Amino acid sequence: DQQVKQNSPSLSVQEGRISILNCDYTNSMFDYFLWYKKYPAEGPTFLISISSIKDKNEDGRFTVFLNKSAKHLSLHIVPSQPGDSAVYFCAAYLDTGGFKTIFGAGTRLFVKA
Amino acid sequence: EAGVVQSPRYKIIEKKQPVAFWCNPISGHNTLYWYRQNLGQGPELLIRYENEEAVDDSQLPKDRFSAERLKGVDSTLKIQPAELGDSAVYLCASSLGGPGQETQYFGPGTRLLVL
Repeated sequence: DQQVKQNSPSLSVQEGRISILNCDYTNSMFDYFLWYKKYPAEGPTFLISISSIKDKNEDGRFTVFLNKSAKHLSLHIVPSQPGDSAVYFCAAYLDTGGFKTIFGAGTRLFVKA
Repeated sequence: EAGVVQSPRYKIIEKKQPVAFWCNPISGHNTLYWYRQNLGQGPELLIRYENEEAVDDSQLPKDRFSAERLKGVDSTLKIQPAELGDSAVYLCASSLGGPGQETQYFGPGTRLLVL
């Protein structure tokens, strides 16, 4: 049962353009959603998060949008840079009294110079 | 400030052999996680510690996997005996823990290959 789904295994974008990474979830009880970025041979690093009570959070070139009715969130990167090339994981956090985080399978972003 | 430290970075063993991974979390982080990441998948939780206590080990295959976090600081994850399907990256993460402290900090992982 995949509660967090990233349906696009990869995405290729030209430098300077917008990158949009998508994520769908099934459990309406998730409290927070997070995006992690992972370079090869490194662990994931936190990028940006959004509370379930908000619909947008922005941090520099990164913006996350949350559509609770559609159970969908997206990460926008504008403008995309070659250094953004990495695997991006969507994660959902549930406070059940146990704080469980569930990760999607990831989307590999290629930003072409 | 030092991040999460893991060792070894790579390990190759034959099936049925034991293997152990070590993790030292960020200082002051009460919560420690062990994840397994298979190729093309996201991290999947194996066990979560709050200080010394394993509070979620529902996904840990207890017939062959064991973990400990003595003194509530560093932790060891062991597999005995290893199987071919255990080949994966084993990630350790830590966080401050508690409500609102959902951001996790990951180590570089240990890449295990079982032959």
